[in-house]
Amino acid sequence: EADIYQTPRYLVIGTGKKITLECSQTMGHDKMYWYQQDPGMELHLIHYSYGVNSTEKGDLSSESTVSRIRTEHFPLTLESARPSHTSQYLCASSVGAEQFFGPGTRLTVL
Amino acid sequence: KQEVTQIPAALSVPEGENLVLNCSFTDSAIYNLQWFRQDPGKGLTSLLLIQSSQREQTSGRLNASLDKSSGRSTLYIAASQPGDSATYLCAAFTGNQFYFGTGTSLTVIP
Repeated sequence: EADIYQTPRYLVIGTGKKITLECSQTMGHDKMYWYQQDPGMELHLIHYSYGVNSTEKGDLSSESTVSRIRTEHFPLTLESARPSHTSQYLCASSVGAEQFFGPGTRLTVL
Repeated sequence: KQEVTQIPAALSVPEGENLVLNCSFTDSAIYNLQWFRQDPGKGLTSLLLIQSSQREQTSGRLNASLDKSSGRSTLYIAASQPGDSATYLCAAFTGNQFYFGTGTSLTVIP
């Protein structure tokens, strides 16, 4: 069983605020991912990392940034949140060809 | 680019019925195919992983099959229960990236 943690689970903030969504995993997986998912819609890959100090942008253009200073930690930051950032953000890690997901963060920007 | 399609988008069945969910992918050069379950507002839970060399995997009432040559995978759910109500997603792994379908929303009516 994979253990991936995301905090906060829910966040409501005002426009212009800086926020960081946290993601941690305890399995020692090198590969980690951030997806954005609107209700009833497909997952869009926004960032991924193949290991410490490795970060790449995904298919979906995003104004967010990520960092990977430690294997277990992959935070996502929005410097200035906007209503268009309202969505669910899912963090995942993978070992081999199997992917494991965290519970997600539901972000609402007013 | 790999494209993954799931049909139907939504399905409603009475309790106890056996059902099949379909997943198709355009590029047969995949390493594996993974089936997930997603409850509303939650992350994805891995159900079954089929390696490219395998034809099927079983877990309890779930059976997933893979036919790479035709670009298809099916998820068979036996004796459906109301607790099976959720969205089911498939994801194809190409060696570099995971490609997700948009999911099938399943409702099992008591």
